[in-house]
Amino acid sequence: AQSVAQPEDQVNVAEGNPLTVKCTYSVSGNPYLFWYVQYPNRGLQFLLKYITGDNLVKGSYGFEAEFNKSQTSFHLKKPSALVSDSALYFCAVIPGDNFNKFYFGSGTKLNVKP
Amino acid sequence: EAQVTQNPRYLITVTGKKLTVTCSQNMNHEYMSWYRQDPGLGLRQIYYSMNVEVTDKGDVPEGYKVSRKEKRNFPLILESPSPNQTSLYFCASSPGLAREQYFGPGTRLTVT
Repeated sequence: AQSVAQPEDQVNVAEGNPLTVKCTYSVSGNPYLFWYVQYPNRGLQFLLKYITGDNLVKGSYGFEAEFNKSQTSFHLKKPSALVSDSALYFCAVIPGDNFNKFYFGSGTKLNVKP
Repeated sequence: EAQVTQNPRYLITVTGKKLTVTCSQNMNHEYMSWYRQDPGLGLRQIYYSMNVEVTDKGDVPEGYKVSRKEKRNFPLILESPSPNQTSLYFCASSPGLAREQYFGPGTRLTVT
């Protein structure tokens, strides 16, 4: 069965500190990996994606993510957190053997305190 | 403005009363999809469509129907809603396979 895990329901960081939101996956084939962000009462917004190539991908708002094939992980990172980064973050995966299917993690609430 | 719209945004209904949630996109995207979002479960894919008249089941299709008669529209139909379909529903579109998706604002459905 295909699955995406976000092991932390909530991550708390102080403004200016680095942040990491974790994601691991178990899907068929070579996956396509995404991060989305959801602000209160809004739809999801695309942040970044990994298809192939460099394991470190950069996205919107200063976020980046590191793909680790051996650990089947795709952790979201930012060097210096902002209060405005506080939101719900979702990892999403497309299996390499079915590009029509999207699998989402359960989400991680990021709280950035001033 | 490029966007995905959904209507209604909020809906309270009773068990068994058929309803339709509309979804429309103005980006000429081929791929569209419906999700439900439940606390602790993230988003789960209900149905998707690769193009006009081409639809297929996602992970949780039971109790739902869809149609894709025009490229821009992808309505979600609940023929006989039940309380376990109370959820937050999102429609999304993307320009093609394995591409990033653009999400609508969501429809909060309550079935009593």
